[in-house]
Amino acid sequence: KNQVEQSPQSLIILEGKNCTLQCNYTVSPFSNLRWYKQDTGRGPVSLTIMTFSENTKSNGRYTATLDADTKQSSLHITASQLSDSASYICVVSRLNYGGSQGNLIFGKGTKLSVKP
Amino acid sequence: DAGITQSPRHKVTETGTPVTLRCHQTENHRYMYWYRQDPGHGLRLIHYSYGVKDTDKGEVSDGYSVSRSKTEDFLLTLESATSSQTSVYFCAISESREDIQYFGAGTRLSVL
Repeated sequence: KNQVEQSPQSLIILEGKNCTLQCNYTVSPFSNLRWYKQDTGRGPVSLTIMTFSENTKSNGRYTATLDADTKQSSLHITASQLSDSASYICVVSRLNYGGSQGNLIFGKGTKLSVKP
Repeated sequence: DAGITQSPRHKVTETGTPVTLRCHQTENHRYMYWYRQDPGHGLRLIHYSYGVKDTDKGEVSDGYSVSRSKTEDFLLTLESATSSQTSVYFCAISESREDIQYFGAGTRLSVL
């Protein structure tokens, strides 16, 4: 079954600290992996998208890594800010998808709270 | 929100009534999607469209119908709303099936 599992479910850190969010997937065949940020009451916004051949991609203080062999990804946030408080969603895209699930398989997200 | 407008943003309705949610885009993207988001679940695809009058079912399509008569508008209809359809509904757009999806701000629907 195509699944995306994220950990932890929630995380509280102090402003200025770093953190790493994890994503494991069993989606096949793999096309790309995306990380989205979703602020409370808003729609998800894309942070990064990585294909099979990319193992690191950065977007400002956000750095995503991908290990396609172990089917794991991580999102590292450096020098966290209060505005980083949000849910972070890992999404895996299937290649040549079929069926009603669509080509995107969504994780349930990690809720990050950054405290002053 | 990438030129995507969802309306209404909030709606409260009663069980058994019809409800239509609208998604309007100004980006001229070919693909449009409707998702629902519930606690304990990831975003789940309801229906999507790959062109005017071209639509297909998603993972949780039962009880929902869609229409796309213009490139810019994608309507989601709950023919007879049930309490299980209480949720936050997101519209998304993309240029192709493989491209990044851009999401609207969402519609919070409560069915009492």
